Amino acid sequence: NAGVTQTPKFRILKIGQSMTLQCTQDMNHNYMYWYRQDPGMGLKLIYYSVGAGITDKGEVPNGYNVSRSTTEDFPLRLELAAPSQTSVYFCASTGAGGTGELFFGEGSRLTVL
Amino acid sequence: AQTVTQSQPEMSVQEAETVTLSCTYDTSESDYYLFWYKQPPSRQMILVIRQEAYKQQNATENRFSVNFQKAAKSFSLKISDSQLGDAAMYFCAYYSGGSNYKLTFGKGTLLTVNP
Repeated sequence: NAGVTQTPKFRILKIGQSMTLQCTQDMNHNYMYWYRQDPGMGLKLIYYSVGAGITDKGEVPNGYNVSRSTTEDFPLRLELAAPSQTSVYFCASTGAGGTGELFFGEGSRLTVL
Repeated sequence: AQTVTQSQPEMSVQEAETVTLSCTYDTSESDYYLFWYKQPPSRQMILVIRQEAYKQQNATENRFSVNFQKAAKSFSLKISDSQLGDAAMYFCAYYSGGSNYKLTFGKGTLLTVNP
């Protein structure tokens, strides 16, 4: 079972560059999330989506954009990368009617130099 | 807004011993869910255990159990017979049961298991 798949796993960006973190899930989950994890800070919610065509901001959305054109895919776009965006990014999903248990991808480590 | 507090940034335990990780949360809701996630060095987030607030009985999964004190808003994780593979970062998380299924995470506790 693939579950939640994130790409790339590692990336180094220069300040001002842009990139997209890809996330896809094969569990037909309506709900998808992007979190960032900084050392000693736990996971912070960037954006989330409750279904195709619907997205909303989380705690730390500045500098990011998302789209949800299909149930399976939820890409995260970084525009004009800044050193403050150096982090580990996790995509996660869950199904409607569940208990809130999230299924996570393996994470993407992004470094902005 | 809900908050989740893990007051122990680091803990250590001897192999085969028992360790308890603490978590407190702040909420005005009466029905919610609480989770413990494990993150080993591989970075993968793994669900360890889940507790529904409406259930008075503490959840148990093999060597992992929780002490859920609803009135005190406390949700500690007990690991019995600790194994080297238990070494990881542990995150406590809260979900209010709302329709968006957003989880709020604590900052984590790094558990070291000494042989």
